Amino acid sequence: DQQVKQNSPSLSVQEGRISILNCDYTNSMFDYFLWYKKYPAEGPTFLISISSIKDKNEDGRFTVFLNKSAKHLSLHIVPSQPGDSAVYFCAASARGGADGLTFGKGTHLIIQP
Amino acid sequence: KAGVTQTPRYLIKTRGQQVTLSCSPISGHRSVSWYQQTPGQGLQFLFEYFSETQRNKGNFPGRFSGRQFSNSRSEMNVSTLELGDSALYLCASSAGKGAGEQYFGPGTRLTVT
Repeated sequence: DQQVKQNSPSLSVQEGRISILNCDYTNSMFDYFLWYKKYPAEGPTFLISISSIKDKNEDGRFTVFLNKSAKHLSLHIVPSQPGDSAVYFCAASARGGADGLTFGKGTHLIIQP
Repeated sequence: KAGVTQTPRYLIKTRGQQVTLSCSPISGHRSVSWYQQTPGQGLQFLFEYFSETQRNKGNFPGRFSGRQFSNSRSEMNVSTLELGDSALYLCASSAGKGAGEQYFGPGTRLTVT
């Protein structure tokens, strides 16, 4: 049973526009959420995180929104740049991050020039 | 600071053999986690070690084991290899316990024939 779901395997966005990547989770014990970016032949790179006590966290062009009642989070990238083309993974953990990460299967973001 | 290093980067083994993979965390990081990435299942958590003790374990058979040394370096072992063990094995380190900001290595690509 997949506890973290990224329902869009791929997403194509024009350069300069907003990219919105979505993630849903089913485990109500999850209280810490992270987004990672992965290029081919490299390990995932941490992007941004959010605790369940917040509903928004920003870091430069990246903003993560958390809707606990809907068990949904999203990553907004504004403006999208060619270097943002990568696979994005949503991950979740329980006990404030004390548990191991449960990952979604990823969304391949393609930024079109 | 040097990043997380994993050796070897590529490995080919035969079904039934065993394999040991190595991970050196970022200097000062005491937590090491291991993940398996396959096209079908995505990134799955194997186990986490902190100060030489296994803290968390994912849902993998006992053929998968690991250990951590006093210098925080970690090894994982897979015995009696099966074709389905072919995957990218990723190691991640973090300063504290659990799922905080984890820094991933480039992975070891294991192919079982």
